Amino acid sequence: DAKTTQPTSMDCAEGRAANLPCNHSTISGNEYVYWYRQIHSQGPQYIIHGLKNNETNEMASLIITEDRKSSTLILPHATLRDTAVYYCIVRAAYNNNDMRFGAGTRLTVKP
Amino acid sequence: NAGVMQNPRHLVRRRGQEARLRCSPMKGHSHVYWYRQLPEEGLKFMVYLQKENIIDESGMPKERFSAEFPKEGPSILRIQQVVRGDSAAYFCASSRRQGADTEAFFGQGTRLTVV
Repeated sequence: DAKTTQPTSMDCAEGRAANLPCNHSTISGNEYVYWYRQIHSQGPQYIIHGLKNNETNEMASLIITEDRKSSTLILPHATLRDTAVYYCIVRAAYNNNDMRFGAGTRLTVKP
Repeated sequence: NAGVMQNPRHLVRRRGQEARLRCSPMKGHSHVYWYRQLPEEGLKFMVYLQKENIIDESGMPKERFSAEFPKEGPSILRIQQVVRGDSAAYFCASSRRQGADTEAFFGQGTRLTVV
């Protein structure tokens, strides 16, 4: 039921930037792009979200293409503790407000 | 500012017993979502509630499962007559208000084991 497509897995070297892509080609104008991650079996952790503009916070940057059909989550300096499953989610502004999780991308940060 | 609190963290029930999972949202949050995660699988939406109202229960199994979010107190996910297939991690999330521009935060989950 997820509206997004993500690679199943990715590797990244410690200290390098991790760039996680997400396709959401059917996104509509009032839908937001959200990113969460789940480390091992802990509760999902909110990372960042955006509508049209690029966003940055203390954890990551979110780059959304001009046509909004895809986005990239950037962890600027990945650490071993960033190893997790990363979920890209599209949330409709006025549609019951639920979040549908897909399979996500399993990011492995290697020393 | 405490985060979303779920208890118990671990719950063991025998087949046929009832399981009650509690979720206290973050302070000021009046919207709660429940998710289930089976071993080695993704998170599956179950139900979305506001105070005293079920807004969307499209992900809830038709039988044995119910959820409530009373005016006072935590949200409760109740599973009657548990079976081994109910063994999973159950997560809840809360948000301040409705609207996809408002982030939702998750608790650490309750791990239910049915023996």
